[in-house]
Amino acid sequence: GNSVTQMEGPVTLSEEAFLTINCTYTATGYPSLFWYVQYPGEGLQLLLKATKADDKGSNKGFEATYRKETTSFHLEKGSVQVSDSAVYFCALGGGTSYGKLTFGQGTILTVHP
Amino acid sequence: NAGVTQTPKFQVLKTGQSMTLQCAQDMNHEYMSWYRQDPGMGLRLIHYSVGAGITDQGEVPNGYNVSRSTTEDFPLRLLSAAPSQTSVYFCASSYHRDRDKYEQYFGPGTRLTVT
Repeated sequence: GNSVTQMEGPVTLSEEAFLTINCTYTATGYPSLFWYVQYPGEGLQLLLKATKADDKGSNKGFEATYRKETTSFHLEKGSVQVSDSAVYFCALGGGTSYGKLTFGQGTILTVHP
Repeated sequence: NAGVTQTPKFQVLKTGQSMTLQCAQDMNHEYMSWYRQDPGMGLRLIHYSVGAGITDQGEVPNGYNVSRSTTEDFPLRLLSAAPSQTSVYFCASSYHRDRDKYEQYFGPGTRLTVT
């Protein structure tokens, strides 16, 4: 079956630091890959996505590249802000229904001024 | 559009009580699903539906029932609440067959405590 593994957290950074959150996956076929973000007290929001190998998803300064050869979709941002403090989830979907997502366990990011 | 709405936002139940968590969407999405979120475990799929009249089990279906009589609504029923069902519940909806249109929209969540 499908599975997603995220790096263990929590991650604590100073403002303007470089961020990487690792995500690797196991799936059959050709899944789509996603990063979702959850701000405190809120539901999940789609941050970015990639639907095929070598695609790069980007949004709000965050980027992730779909690497089929390493089965990875690592999230990066060059300069984090305090407002980026949230929980980040890597997820995959595909097969007969792109709606059926498999999530990683989530990574808590805290950014200090 | 209101997007995905969930009620109630908070609920406290006693062990053995039953209740229904409501979920509605106004985007004409075929696919709807329920997840529970527990610390350190991400989101786990409880039940999902690919259209009115069609439902299926996810990863953790025991103790929950669903039905889908309309495209818009997808209620989740707890039959006899247990402390292990204390969690935050999220409803989500999306298109499900079109890879390019795909985006899953989440409701704000229901925080349930079972004592």
